[in-house]
This record gives sequence, C-alpha cells and structure tokens, in this order.
Amino acid sequence: GAGVSQTPSNKVTEKGKYVELRCDPISGHTALYWYRQSLGQGPEFLIYFQGTGAADDSGLPNDRFFAVRPEGSVSTLKIQRTERGDSAVYLCASSLSPGSSYNEQFFGPGTRLTVL
Amino acid sequence: TQLLEQSPQFLSIQEGENLTVYCNSSSVFSSLQWYRQEPGEGPVLLVTVVTGGEVKKLKRLTFQFGDARKDSSLHITAAQPGDTGLYLCAGDEYSSASKIIFGSGTRLSIRP
Repeated sequence: GAGVSQTPSNKVTEKGKYVELRCDPISGHTALYWYRQSLGQGPEFLIYFQGTGAADDSGLPNDRFFAVRPEGSVSTLKIQRTERGDSAVYLCASSLSPGSSYNEQFFGPGTRLTVL
Repeated sequence: TQLLEQSPQFLSIQEGENLTVYCNSSSVFSSLQWYRQEPGEGPVLLVTVVTGGEVKKLKRLTFQFGDARKDSSLHITAAQPGDTGLYLCAGDEYSSASKIIFGSGTRLSIRP
C-alpha cells in the first residue's frame, strides 16, 4: 500500500477483555513505532521496533501492553485485561531509517479504542 | 524525560490574520519537528529543523528553531480556512536515536 494502514479503525470492547491492534507499515520501512493519543493531547510514545526486535519499549505503561513484529513488517499491539483508561487512539508510524536527525515518521490513521 | 509545552492550546482567528504558535522546553533537542493533524488521521510532518537559529519557510508558514535548540515557533501569514487543524511540535531525544516526544498541540481554527 501507499501508506501506513491500521486495523480496525474503531474497536469497542468491555473492561477486562483482550484486544489486538494491527499495523501495516510502508513497504521497506525497517522502523515501526506505536503511540497512544488521548483526547486533547499529543501522541505519547509506547514502543519502537527496528526490524523484528523491540529496540525501545520504555513507553509501555505496564505489563498488560505487549507488541510484536515477528517478520519485521506487520506489527500487533496487544492489550490484556483492558481498563477504561486505555481508551485512546493508538497510532502506528514507520520510517525508512531510524537513528537520523531527520527521522521522518509516516503515521497511519490510528485505531480508536473505547473500553466500556 | 524531556517535555515540550505548546502555546496557545487553542486559537481561533479570522481569515487573513497572522498567528504564531510556540513550542518550549527546558531541555535541548537534537532536532525538532512540526506536524499537522486532521481529525481521524495521523500527524503529517511539515518540517524538521536541526540547527540552532535555523529558519525554514513552507509557503505561508515560517518555522524557527531557537539558538539553544530548546524552543521553536511556527508563524502563519495570512491564515486561510485550510490551515485549520491540530499543530504538534515534536523533538528528538538525545538519549534515544529514534524516540520523539510530542507537545500537547495547538488547535487552530480559521474562520472564513
């Protein structure tokens, strides 16, 4: 595809349930990022992958959050035992080459997660 | 953790007016970026500034990076309704090659 795609676009779940959010980065982009954006706020960094490995997961709020990128392309963000406070838009971004001062990241449209 | 503060949070002005949005931090950034985000979409990069004192122009938008690389400003000349959106500044952390920190954003509304 031409850009970063995320599915689903909207997800409504009940408190305590498990959810998976998917990100398809731009083809050839080795770096992939997950962010969380709450209403009225800027995106908050969660985790960064370089290839298949999580190079920086310092933004994950707790151990209920986990992300994988098994083949170095598609990534899945997994949230266990969801809480109402997890409600937010989850954004994915990819870039061609990390470690650069320019570090241009291309963002997907996000998945809006609502936990009832 | 480095923080970026943006001001104002909200701005509503008439078409044709000029405006400036500010992005401030007590920390030094290796580079600073400005994004624009529309409802239901992810942020889109407008510009990256790298050198202290650098000024970049993008049509009616002028971006400046502070001499000490702690702050930046975005100036829009003769604002148009199409400029409406959420403007975000973001900075590269020195301690991490790829982690960027976003400000809380400035929501801009241009009235026709």
